[in-house]
Amino acid sequence: GAVVSQHPSRVICKSGTSVKIECRSLDFQATTMFWYRQFPKQSLMLMATSNEGSKATYEQGVEKDKFLINHASLTLSTLTVTSAHPEDSSFYICSARDPAGVSYEQYFGPGTRLTVT
Amino acid sequence: DQQVKQNSPSLSVQEGRISILNCDYTNSMFDYFLWYKKYPAEGPTFLISISSIKDKNEDGRFTVFLNKSAKHLSLHIVPSQPGDSAVYFCAASANWYSSASKIIFGSGTRLSIRP
Repeated sequence: GAVVSQHPSRVICKSGTSVKIECRSLDFQATTMFWYRQFPKQSLMLMATSNEGSKATYEQGVEKDKFLINHASLTLSTLTVTSAHPEDSSFYICSARDPAGVSYEQYFGPGTRLTVT
Repeated sequence: DQQVKQNSPSLSVQEGRISILNCDYTNSMFDYFLWYKKYPAEGPTFLISISSIKDKNEDGRFTVFLNKSAKHLSLHIVPSQPGDSAVYFCAASANWYSSASKIIFGSGTRLSIRP
């Protein structure tokens, strides 16, 4: 089946630095990818929709200057957490849809654990 | 405003019995519903889905029921097995067949299968 990968799987950074997380669709092309965030024991919250070749669409309450999204190719979207602070520590998950798939399913990556110290 | 609600944060079921996980939604524009299973520090894994034009979908031990008039769906797992212990998320989407359609998740139910 379709696979979505994320890199890195976990990252620790110091407060004030920026961190980039990559999301790749490995065997299909995805014009749209999605970024989620999950706090401990809470639901997955949709942060933004990443559109290949155009600007990302952010959900209400998500700072677009804080969470920079770049979808430069049909298989890669990146999320950069700029000037990270401890409250940005979370589990970030991306997903991608295979528009050519029979089920039109959305596939999720394994997630990236970000810890800001 | 939570559009997808799972009111039971946890559920404990004896092995071999039926597990029933419930979910309610408020947005009448949702036309596709999904259930995901998730382990800590991993991405969600798709289990089963149902279109709003159906009221039941079955896949092996998993069956999803949809009651549109009540805006309610449920996931039945029978028989429950120890490997089913995980957090289950109910999710919904509007305009599912649009490439940009978003999936909205409920808060999850932690299912524990006891021997």
